[in-house]
Amino acid sequence: AQSVTQPDIHITVSEGASLELRCNYSYGATPYLFWYVQSPGQGLQLLLKYFSGDTLVQGIKGFEAEFKRSQSSFNLRKPSVHWSDAAEYFCAVGPSIKAAGNKLTFGGGTRVLVKP
Amino acid sequence: SQTIHQWPATLVQPVGSPLSLECTVEGTSNPNLYWYRQAAGRGLQLLFYSVGIGQISSEVPQNLSASRPQDRQFILSSKKLLLSDSGFYLCAWSGGKEGSSYNEQFFGPGTRLTVL
Repeated sequence: AQSVTQPDIHITVSEGASLELRCNYSYGATPYLFWYVQSPGQGLQLLLKYFSGDTLVQGIKGFEAEFKRSQSSFNLRKPSVHWSDAAEYFCAVGPSIKAAGNKLTFGGGTRVLVKP
Repeated sequence: SQTIHQWPATLVQPVGSPLSLECTVEGTSNPNLYWYRQAAGRGLQLLFYSVGIGQISSEVPQNLSASRPQDRQFILSSKKLLLSDSGFYLCAWSGGKEGSSYNEQFFGPGTRLTVL
C-alpha cells in the first residue's frame, strides 16, 4: 500500500533563512508527486508537481523540489523564506497511469512558522 | 479557466441534525470529484470520490454519504450529525479519465463544520 511520510510536524524558520521540508514515500509503481500549501482556513493550493524528466522541479512562490528515486524522497526547498510562507505544507503521491478515481495519498503535513 | 465552489463556508449544527454541503465545478466537464475531511491538527482523509454522475466510491465507513446528481455537482450529506463529524471539509476535482489535468487535484476553499 502506498504511504507518504513527512517526518517534521512543525518547523520554525527565521525570515530570510532557507527552508527544506522532507517527504518520503512508499509506492508500488512510478508515482506522480505533488506539494500543496494550505494557509489557515483555506483550501489547498498546488505548489509544484513531478511527473517525469528533470528531477529538480520549479514551482510557484519561489519553491523547488527534488525527486530522488533511490531515496524515495521528494523534498521541498526555498532559498529565502518570507513571512507569507507561514502555512501548512502537504506532500502527496498519485498514480502515473490513468486509473479509476486517480486517488492521491497525502502526508500528514508540516506546519511552518516564520519568525521575524 | 476552471473554478470550484463550496458552500456554506462555515456551519454550526447541533448533534443529530442533518447536513448538506455542496460543491460545484465550473469550466470543465466529466471531472473526477472528491470529498476530504481535515480534523483539527490532522492531515487529509479521503471520504468519497466520484468518476461520474451517480457513481460514488466510499473510502471509509462513517456517518456521511455523498451524491453526484449532476456532472459538476457533488454533495456531502448526513441524516444525523455526530460530534465527531466536526472538521474542515474540502472538495476537489481532477480531470476525468479522457481529459487533461487528470493526475493533479484542485481544491475548493473548504467548509468549516462545527457540531455542538
